[in-house]
Amino acid sequence: EIVLTQSPGTLSLSPGERATLSCRASQSVSDNYLAWYLQTPGQAPRLLVYGASIRATGVPDRFSGSGSGTDFTLTISRLDPEDFGVFYCQQYGSSQETFGQGTRVDIK
Amino acid sequence: QLQLQQSGPGLVKPSETLSLTCAVSGGSVSSRSYYWTWIRQPPGKGLEWIGNFYYGGRTSSNPSLNSRVSISLDRSKNHFSLTLDSVAVADTAVYYCVGTHLMIRYWGQGTLVTVSS
Repeated sequence: EIVLTQSPGTLSLSPGERATLSCRASQSVSDNYLAWYLQTPGQAPRLLVYGASIRATGVPDRFSGSGSGTDFTLTISRLDPEDFGVFYCQQYGSSQETFGQGTRVDIK
Repeated sequence: QLQLQQSGPGLVKPSETLSLTCAVSGGSVSSRSYYWTWIRQPPGKGLEWIGNFYYGGRTSSNPSLNSRVSISLDRSKNHFSLTLDSVAVADTAVYYCVGTHLMIRYWGQGTLVTVSS
C-alpha cells in the first residue's frame, strides 16, 4: 500500500495569500496518477488536478499541481474565499488506491 | 462527460447487507475506456477507497474490507453497484461512486448510509 502524507495539517491564511500544500508518497506513484481535491462542508470532493499537474475542467488557473515520483505539490496563487476547506491528495495508479489525511485551509 | 447518479437506502441494520447503485450517463459501463470505483467517508473523517471494477471483470478492493465487498455491473441498465456484507456501526459513512476516464475522475453526489438498529 502506498501511504500518502500531506503537510501541513492546517494552514491559516487570508484571502489573496498564496498556499502551498505538499503530498509525499511512501513509494513512487505510477504514471503520476495523482489527484488533488477540495472538499467544503456537506459537499462531495471537487476534482482540482489529475495526472499530478492537469487542471480539471472549469478549475481556475490560480490552482497548479506539480511533482512526480514521490513528491507532489498543489499551489494556490491567490486564495479566494471559496477556496477554504479540506484538500486531499489521492493516488490511483496502483491496484490499491489511497488518500492522504487532508490539509485544512482556514481563513485567518 | 460522465455523470453519475447514486441511489440506495440511507439506513441499514447491523449484520445486514448494504447495497448501493450508481447510474451512469455520458458513457457506457461496458466500455474499456472506463473503470468504476467506490469510496466512502465516515462522518468527520477522511476518504477511504473501497474498491474498483475494471473492464473484463477484474476487481480490486481494500484489504480491510476485502471479504465483505462486491462490485458489479449491470450492462442492461448502464449502472454499477456496491454490496457490503455484515455491516456494523463503523460502516456508517457517506458513500461515493466514481468513474475514471483518461485519468479524469467523475464523482457521484454521495449517499449517507447509517448503520443502526
